[in-house]
Amino acid sequence: DVKVTQSSRYLVKRTGEKVFLECVQDMDHENMFWYRQDPGLGLRLIYFSYDVKMKEKGDIPEGYSVSREKKERFSLILESASTNQTSMYLCASTLETGDNQPQHFGDGTRLSIL
Amino acid sequence: SQKIEQNSEALNIQEGKTATLTCNYTNYSPAYLQWYRQDPGRGPVFLLLIRENEKEKRKERLKVTFDTTLKQSLFHITASQPADSATYLCALAPADAGNMLTFGGGTRLMVKP
Repeated sequence: DVKVTQSSRYLVKRTGEKVFLECVQDMDHENMFWYRQDPGLGLRLIYFSYDVKMKEKGDIPEGYSVSREKKERFSLILESASTNQTSMYLCASTLETGDNQPQHFGDGTRLSIL
Repeated sequence: SQKIEQNSEALNIQEGKTATLTCNYTNYSPAYLQWYRQDPGRGPVFLLLIRENEKEKRKERLKVTFDTTLKQSLFHITASQPADSATYLCALAPADAGNMLTFGGGTRLMVKP
């Protein structure tokens, strides 16, 4: 089974801090994604990566950046955390093929910005 | 703008009955539609994928339909059990989106014994 591991289940940070959220997958998947999930808004895509050092903006990239130095690891960075970035953050991965593939999710990081 | 709608109100049903969840979309021409289950405090888990040229897909007690004319997918759980209680998300992708998905807000299902 594919395992997607997010480094923290819960995280509390202060406004203005630089925050790193880490995600690791163990199945050699090409594609990795970062979402945030908020009540009433569903999952919204922040960034995705289709290869090492490659990234594309999703629907809500403002205030975030990402890093993918190794295939198995995809990091989400909040450059200067703000209270409106308090949310559940979910990482996912898929194997690249020509067809639509299911996404495999981690269990999320619940981030609170005080 | 593109919109995916799932009933935001919880669906409460009795154990043994069939649960039917709805996913409607507008201003969208998806080639694929996926359904996920999400338990509290956990990430979504993939259940089923259906393509635009497929009308129906089944997996054990699960059945998904995809009507591109009505712009709607229905997700059925037959002989529902309390363990089926969770939030169910639909997700859509156009043909050229690779593995990108757009998610609906999810519907919470409560199955009472």
